Amino acid sequence: GAGVSQSPRYKVAKRGQDVALRCDPISGHVSLFWYQQALGQGPEFLTYFQNEAQLDKSGLPSDRFFAERPEGSVSTLKIQRTQQEDSAVYLCASSHGQGGSPLHFGNGTRLTVT
Amino acid sequence: AQSVSQHNHHVILSEAASLELGCNYSYGGTVNLFWYVQYPGQHLQLLLKYFSGDPLVKGIKGFEAEFIKSKFSFNLRKPSVQWSDTAEYFCAVTGSYNNNDMRFGAGTRLTVKP
Repeated sequence: GAGVSQSPRYKVAKRGQDVALRCDPISGHVSLFWYQQALGQGPEFLTYFQNEAQLDKSGLPSDRFFAERPEGSVSTLKIQRTQQEDSAVYLCASSHGQGGSPLHFGNGTRLTVT
Repeated sequence: AQSVSQHNHHVILSEAASLELGCNYSYGGTVNLFWYVQYPGQHLQLLLKYFSGDPLVKGIKGFEAEFIKSKFSFNLRKPSVQWSDTAEYFCAVTGSYNNNDMRFGAGTRLTVKP
């Protein structure tokens, strides 16, 4: 496809469940980002990949969050033992990876933890 | 650490009114600056970007932004808004030589009344 694809679009999880969110970046994009967007807030950085290497995970809020991109394309953000404060929209973005190149965003996954 | 501040949380205008949304940033180096827009139900889209050169940048749909280095500002403007400009607007900053540290402001919600 032409854009960044995220699935599922909506996810409802009971507190304590594990969830996995998928991101298909634009073909050929080297850089991949995950952001968390709470209601009424801007996107907050979670983690960044260059190809398969996770170069920055400083934004992950706890050790319940981890992300992977094993083949340098599709990425998965996993949240273990979900908590209510994890409820947010999780955005994936990709870019060419060259200095300052803009990010292309997916539609996001809206996670609701009940 | 870099940060972005957007002064207005919610702006309400009538059609044909002029628009200016404030954005100030903090970053220890040369920067690239962006404005993204999120229309209701859609993903974040790039509106315009500043890399270097002319500090007055023109984007899509009649929007422009001016980079004032001495004020660490990158305000977004449009001379005459339309109802279709109703959306959320996000300012973002990243370093000039990499984009793995893109940070966003909290966003400004613009409502244009017909």
